[in-house]
Amino acid sequence: DVKVTQSSRYLVKRTGEKVFLECVQDMDHENMFWYRQDPGLGLRLIYFSYDVKMKEKGDIPEGYSVSREKKERFSLILESASTNQTSMYLCATLRTIHGYTFGSGTRLTVV
Amino acid sequence: QKEVEQNSGPLSVPEGAIASLNCTYSDRGSQSFFWYRQYSGKSPELIMFIYSNGDKEDGRFTAQLNKASQYVSLLIRDSQPSDSATYLCAVNKQAGTALIFGKGTTLSVSS
Repeated sequence: DVKVTQSSRYLVKRTGEKVFLECVQDMDHENMFWYRQDPGLGLRLIYFSYDVKMKEKGDIPEGYSVSREKKERFSLILESASTNQTSMYLCATLRTIHGYTFGSGTRLTVV
Repeated sequence: QKEVEQNSGPLSVPEGAIASLNCTYSDRGSQSFFWYRQYSGKSPELIMFIYSNGDKEDGRFTAQLNKASQYVSLLIRDSQPSDSATYLCAVNKQAGTALIFGKGTTLSVSS
């Protein structure tokens, strides 16, 4: 089975900090995604990547950037964290026709 | 018009009953349809995927797709308390592989 590992389960950061959320997959999948999930708003796509060094904006990229230097690692960067970025962040990889496999999520609180 | 719509629920059914979850989508070019289950505090896990009109069965779960009417449904037979969760409908974007999620339907199965 595909394993998607998010480095932190819970994070607390201060407003204005630069925050790195890491996601690593072990199955050589090309497509990786970052979503955030908020009550009442559901899962919203932030960024995705089809290959190393490639990135595409999703529906809500403002305030975020991403990095994909190696195929197995896809990082989400909050350039200057704000309280409205408090959320559950989910990383996923695409198993061709079989849909996504999600990581366990990172619950980020910005204070 | 929202791209993927689901009734938020909660949908309450007694143990042993059939639970019916519905989803409509707006992009007629959508090709792939997925149902995910998400327990509170956990990440989504794939239950079923369907690509062709008609029914697809897997154990107690049946996915139904009607592209002409742009809806997809999930039936859960012999519902169990362990089925209590939020069910997310997801549809692929026509132009790529990123999934668009509905906000989810919360199912509660009472024993």
